[in-house]
Amino acid sequence: AQSVTQPDIHITVSEGASLELRCNYSYGATPYLFWYVQSPGQGLQLLLKYFSGDTLVQGIKGFEAEFKRSQSSFNLRKPSVHWSDAAEYFCAVISGTYKYIFGTGTRLKVLA
Amino acid sequence: DAGVIQSPRHEVTEMGQEVTLRCKPISGHDYLFWYRQTMMRGLELLIYFNNNVPIDDSGMPEDRFSAKMPNASFSTLKIQPSEPRDSAVYFCASSSGDRGGEQYFGPGTRLTVT
Repeated sequence: AQSVTQPDIHITVSEGASLELRCNYSYGATPYLFWYVQSPGQGLQLLLKYFSGDTLVQGIKGFEAEFKRSQSSFNLRKPSVHWSDAAEYFCAVISGTYKYIFGTGTRLKVLA
Repeated sequence: DAGVIQSPRHEVTEMGQEVTLRCKPISGHDYLFWYRQTMMRGLELLIYFNNNVPIDDSGMPEDRFSAKMPNASFSTLKIQPSEPRDSAVYFCASSSGDRGGEQYFGPGTRLTVT
């Protein structure tokens, strides 16, 4: 069965430090992968997506993610974190026709 | 475009009452999804529609929950009767098949059942 694992429930980084959020998926075919961000009290906003082609994808707000088929991973990165990046981040894979499977989320805290 | 619109944004009701949550998807989108988010269970897909037809309702917790999409611009999620364990944030999202499944989420409805 398809699944998405985000191993880190909470991550704390200092402002200006680099960030990597992990995501592993289980899916038989070539996956469609997404990263969403949810600020407190808000809905989810798409950061970036991977369908095919270049395995390094760029998103909004300075985020990028790299698809590694051999590791079944789609980790999210940002070279320098801003205090406004504090939020919850969700990785997702599409199962079949547009049915998302979400990970459990990683809550990011940014220290000033 | 105004994005996905949900109403109400907050709902407080007493156990046993009927609750109706509403969603207006983005114009032109042919998929609509209802999700529930809780601390304990995370983000769960309840049901989704394609061209107003329910495709997968396997996530609907029980018969107290029902969802309809009478036309392309409106959907409802109804809980009758409501119970305290239904307290959660309910999100509606829409997508267009042409965009490869990218979903656009509404701001959510925070439901509290006392």
